[in-house]
Amino acid sequence: TQLLEQSPQFLSIQEGENLTVYCNSSSVFSSLQWYRQEPGEGPVLLVTVVTGGEVKKLKRLTFQFGDARKDSSLHITAAQPGDTGLYLCAGARNAGGTSYGKLTFGQGTILTVHP
Amino acid sequence: KAGVTQTPRYLIKTRGQQVTLSCSPISGHRSVSWYQQTPGQGLQFLFEYFSETQRNKGNFPGRFSGRQFSNSRSEMNVSTLELGDSALYLCASSYASGSGNEQFFGPGTRLTVL
Repeated sequence: TQLLEQSPQFLSIQEGENLTVYCNSSSVFSSLQWYRQEPGEGPVLLVTVVTGGEVKKLKRLTFQFGDARKDSSLHITAAQPGDTGLYLCAGARNAGGTSYGKLTFGQGTILTVHP
Repeated sequence: KAGVTQTPRYLIKTRGQQVTLSCSPISGHRSVSWYQQTPGQGLQFLFEYFSETQRNKGNFPGRFSGRQFSNSRSEMNVSTLELGDSALYLCASSYASGSGNEQFFGPGTRLTVL
């Protein structure tokens, strides 16, 4: 079983603070995706990282894929109340061609940014 | 381009009944995956269809089934509903099958089993 351990589970911060969410696994993933989900809605794709060591920036969000492609992090600079939501990492892996369409999700991080 | 649509958005059923959920993927997308989301288990993969064929299946009992039509629309069916089937059922579409293909999710169907 490919598990993705996501931490922390809960994060409550003040507007303007920085934060980092971690996603770790003992398995290698061919790609890793980060999603943000709001209550009552489906997850919205933020970014996909595919190359070990890759860093992608999306405004105040920075995503990194570990060199060994087993871990990833999401860093938010100067958090705003609009960043509040559930952040999910999801890994995809080719395993003899049996992983079609299958994403393995972390448990998620519930982020609350207070004004 | 319209996103992934799911119907109905909310559903209330009683134990023992069956339910069918529908998903229309983004135009041009041929792969549709289904996930179950619960507070305790998070998001868990149910199955994936590509070109009307089931390509992969998660660890769910046979009461959970699905199909895909020639226009890529997909349905999933749950028979003999149990209380534990209460969850948000999410459908995701992607252009092609296989790992690394970005998946775009619909808003989900909230199923409550009484």
